[in-house]
Amino acid sequence: GQNIDQPTEMTATEGAIVQINCTYQTSGFNGLFWYQQHAGEAPTFLSYNVLDGLEEKGRFSSFLSRSKGYSYLLLKELQMKDSASYLCAVVDSNYQLIWGAGTKLIIKP
Amino acid sequence: NAGVTQTPKFRVLKTGQSMTLLCAQDMNHEYMYWYRQDPGMGLRLIHYSVGEGTTAKGEVPDGYNVSRLKKQNFLLGLESAAPSQTSVYFCASSPPSRGPHQPQHFGDGTRLSIL
Repeated sequence: GQNIDQPTEMTATEGAIVQINCTYQTSGFNGLFWYQQHAGEAPTFLSYNVLDGLEEKGRFSSFLSRSKGYSYLLLKELQMKDSASYLCAVVDSNYQLIWGAGTKLIIKP
Repeated sequence: NAGVTQTPKFRVLKTGQSMTLLCAQDMNHEYMYWYRQDPGMGLRLIHYSVGEGTTAKGEVPDGYNVSRLKKQNFLLGLESAAPSQTSVYFCASSPPSRGPHQPQHFGDGTRLSIL
């Protein structure tokens, strides 16, 4: 079967750094997405990785290791508005997106 | 630029009733998708379409039907609503895939309760 694992919930402090991990076991791999979803809102695209390594985009960075089936999203200089769920999704061999259940990130002052 | 628009935003149905959820996108995207999102679970694909007049089943298609008569619209129908279909439904669209890396753009969701 196909499986995406993420922690259910994480808590961090405003101004700090947090790393949200995602491990996956899928039938094939054609890339990995990270989306942000605020409560009651639509998911919005954050990043896409298909090659190993780190992709940096402002305060957010995403890392991929295909050999380990592992990715992480790194959020720096946390702001209260970063409180949201972060969804990891893998593109499988059929080019379908397999979604993790999401990590709810709580930012405390 | 509206992006992806879903109607209605909220709906309460009784078991056995039918209804249609409408999704409209103004980005000229070829691909459109219907997902459901339930607490503690990832988004699950119900049906999708890779172009006008074509549809395909996703992971959880039972109890749902879809139609893509126009490129910009993707309709999701519930034939006979059941309490297990209580969920938040998201529509998404994406550009033609020259590779698998085109992000999906989501509507704001339809919150559906079946009593």
